[in-house]
Amino acid sequence: EAGVAQSPRYKIIEKRQSVAFWCNPISGHATLYWYQQILGQGPKLLIQFQNNGVVDDSQLPKDRFSAERLKGVDSTLKIQPAKLEDSAVYLCASSLRGGQFYEQYFGPGTRLTVT
Amino acid sequence: DAKTTQPNSMESNEEEPVHLPCNHSTISGTDYIHWYRQLPSQGPEYVIHGLTSNVNNRMASLAIAEDRKSSTLILHRATLRDAAVYYCILSGTYKYIFGTGTRLKVLA
Repeated sequence: EAGVAQSPRYKIIEKRQSVAFWCNPISGHATLYWYQQILGQGPKLLIQFQNNGVVDDSQLPKDRFSAERLKGVDSTLKIQPAKLEDSAVYLCASSLRGGQFYEQYFGPGTRLTVT
Repeated sequence: DAKTTQPNSMESNEEEPVHLPCNHSTISGTDYIHWYRQLPSQGPEYVIHGLTSNVNNRMASLAIAEDRKSSTLILHRATLRDAAVYYCILSGTYKYIFGTGTRLKVLA
């Protein structure tokens, strides 16, 4: 079975520029997550989708970050404008359903460097 | 949200068992205990999870204390490929809160 796909794998931008990340979850997985992982820390949940609806976006900096999941499949995460502190790895994960019973499958991540 | 406490790092010799501890003294009755690991330059991967009883799978075993305030991930024979950061996570309703994990170093 194909895993979670993410692109690009690496991105370097200047502060105040915009950037977008793409995620394709495992086929049939209803729940999709975006995490931010700063160097030396564990991943932090930014947003969770159940199909194409948002379940939790309480830790998403909504003044600059946005995410969508059209048609309940692929998802994009956008940062506009980027700040230096946004430098991190952005991980996408998916699970068959939401809830604590279902294993999350993670993609390889996109490493963002903001200069 | 309940938190977990893990040692920052541990070392093990190859082909020896490894016991990775996790304290979660504020665990609630409905929290599952999950373990994930993250190899260098990869996303986290699922290892095992449990609620009250000890659990075994092909990768590892999970031993849960009777009061559920602590748990131990057991790798029966560590290999060099097991070198990773291991995260112990409690999932309340649906959300994972990752700590900084334990970095496991496996010595050849």
